[in-house]
Amino acid sequence: ETGVTQTPRHLVMGMTNKKSLKCEQHLGHNAMYWYKQSAKKPLELMFVYNFKEQTENNSVPSRFSPECPNSSHLFLHLHTLQPEDSALYLCASSQQGYSNQPQHFGDGTRLSIL
Amino acid sequence: AQSVTQLDSHVSVSEGTPVLLRCNYSSSYSPSLFWYVQHPNKGLQLLLKYTSAATLVKGINGFEAEFKKSETSFHLTKPSAHMSDAAEYFCVVSGGAAGNKLTFGGGTRVLVKP
Repeated sequence: ETGVTQTPRHLVMGMTNKKSLKCEQHLGHNAMYWYKQSAKKPLELMFVYNFKEQTENNSVPSRFSPECPNSSHLFLHLHTLQPEDSALYLCASSQQGYSNQPQHFGDGTRLSIL
Repeated sequence: AQSVTQLDSHVSVSEGTPVLLRCNYSSSYSPSLFWYVQHPNKGLQLLLKYTSAATLVKGINGFEAEFKKSETSFHLTKPSAHMSDAAEYFCVVSGGAAGNKLTFGGGTRVLVKP
């Protein structure tokens, strides 16, 4: 049981394509997160949304554009990506954006840039 | 600033023997600490969390961790490894000035031999 669903699970795209990653949580949480997981590197926080408002942008390039229409859904819009953007993108949610609350993760989208 | 160091990038154990995964943290404040596990092609699953209550924390699947403030450590143990424990494990710290941000260790990959 994950409670956080990410689609698609795999995505292959060219550098000039536009695509979107979707995340949906069924846990009634109010905070949602995007992470990037690359081989041999620690997990990198990209964006944080709390009650639909973006509260963190961890110096992410503008070719990544997040959208949070409501507390249950989070999107990551992709445009003119680079080969180094190939990675596993993980979505997570927590009750609220408080440090002592665990985050619940989806299974991720494996992104490959050609 | 806060940081997490997982002292072993790989640990190999035989099935039925104890598992020890070492984690040291640095934080200016009383931290919240977590251990997550990631199986292949899956997201991160919470094993246990420490949030300033009992220093010995019991988690799922027989894992436990002990918070030692004097040693700034939060090592994860399990008395008897099972084949299904083969995965990557992440020690995570949050709190203080970093607010709701999680800081991840580099991960420890566990191999369980029959």
